[in-house]
Amino acid sequence: DVKVTQSSRYLVKRTGEKVFLECVQDMDHENMFWYRQDPGLGLRLIYFSYDVKMKEKGDIPEGYSVSREKKERFSLILESASTNQTSMYLCASSLTGLAGFHEQYFGPGTRLTVT
Amino acid sequence: DQQVKQNSPSLSVQEGRISILNCDYTNSMFDYFLWYKKYPAEGPTFLISISSIKDKNEDGRFTVFLNKSAKHLSLHIVPSQPGDSAVYFCAASYSGAGSYQLTFGKGTKLSVIP
Repeated sequence: DVKVTQSSRYLVKRTGEKVFLECVQDMDHENMFWYRQDPGLGLRLIYFSYDVKMKEKGDIPEGYSVSREKKERFSLILESASTNQTSMYLCASSLTGLAGFHEQYFGPGTRLTVT
Repeated sequence: DQQVKQNSPSLSVQEGRISILNCDYTNSMFDYFLWYKKYPAEGPTFLISISSIKDKNEDGRFTVFLNKSAKHLSLHIVPSQPGDSAVYFCAASYSGAGSYQLTFGKGTKLSVIP
């Protein structure tokens, strides 16, 4: 079974703090993704990475950065947290290849509250 | 511009009846479609998928139908069970080089009433 883990289930941070969200997958997947989920807006892609040290902007990258130093780990960084970044953050991973790259496997999510 | 649309934010169904969740897409490049199920405070889990070369895919109680000409797909759950109560997301992808992304709809909250 694919396992995607996220460092925290719940996190409370203050406005202006630098926030690190960590994600680790154990299935040697090439692709990793960060989404945020907000009520009525569905899942929106923040950043993704298709290889170590590679990153691509998703639909809403503003205010975020990412780091992928190792294949299994993908970090999301909020440089200066703001209240509008209060959300559920979801990490996912997938294989590359016709049979597998469509299906993404998600972690349990991190509920971030910025006060 | 929303490329994947789930126009019903919510749906209520009696236990034992059929649940039909709908999804429309606008991008004709999409050739692979997925349904995910999400419980509160958990990550989405993959449910079922369909390639554009097919018009139907079945897995137990879950069947996905694809109408390419109408750019429409639907998920049928028969019979519906209370444990099926969750938010269902439709997602689409295409097989071009570098196309690692899934485009998600906004979700439909299904409530199965005992």
